[in-house]
Amino acid sequence: EVQLVESGGGLVQPGGSLRLSCATSGVTFSVYAMSWVRQAPGQGLEWVSTISGSGGFTYYADSVKGRFTISRDNSKNTLYLQMNSLRAEDTAVYYCAKDGKAVAGFEHWGQGTLVTVSS
Amino acid sequence: DIQMTQSPSTLSASVGDRVTITCRASQSISHWLAWYQQTPGKAPKLLIYKASTLESGVPSRFSGSGSGTEFTLTISSLQPDDFATYYCQKYNNYSSLIFGGGTKVEIK
Repeated sequence: EVQLVESGGGLVQPGGSLRLSCATSGVTFSVYAMSWVRQAPGQGLEWVSTISGSGGFTYYADSVKGRFTISRDNSKNTLYLQMNSLRAEDTAVYYCAKDGKAVAGFEHWGQGTLVTVSS
Repeated sequence: DIQMTQSPSTLSASVGDRVTITCRASQSISHWLAWYQQTPGKAPKLLIYKASTLESGVPSRFSGSGSGTEFTLTISSLQPDDFATYYCQKYNNYSSLIFGGGTKVEIK
């Protein structure tokens, strides 16, 4: 069974930093691209970032480019999101998501971790 | 950048109704469209990928169609578990995996 478990969320002040982790199991981690998706309270889904299976290619939404860094450790089957210069508008539940075999949608999702940016 | 627009934003329906949700892309994305279902407090669930391929384990009352810029998600006979919010997502390019704004299906 594939499992994705996020951690690292919490309350942080504007301008602060936070690192999210997504531990995976039950999957050949290095084969699949991985992504982060966020959802602000009461709002829709927003794609944040994607990293290729090897880690050699990374992609970001304009809203986080230059502030967030996605990375992965294939030896630990873990995905990361380093978030710097956090703003109130970054407040959201952050989900990690795994590409499907068809490379055409997010087949598996974590349960989400809440990030709150507030003074 | 390609934009994804869903309609309607809210839909009121009854159990047994046939429901159709539309997703439009501002430029052609061929068949690279996915549909998700999300219930409150839960992570989204993949329903359909490549516009019309049903994800394993998803009931056959769900179907998807379309290509290019216009796509539809149809629920042939709405069931109580189907009251949820549905999102489309373009999946043609990792540099921009944009979601539509969502369609909330409510009980009439």
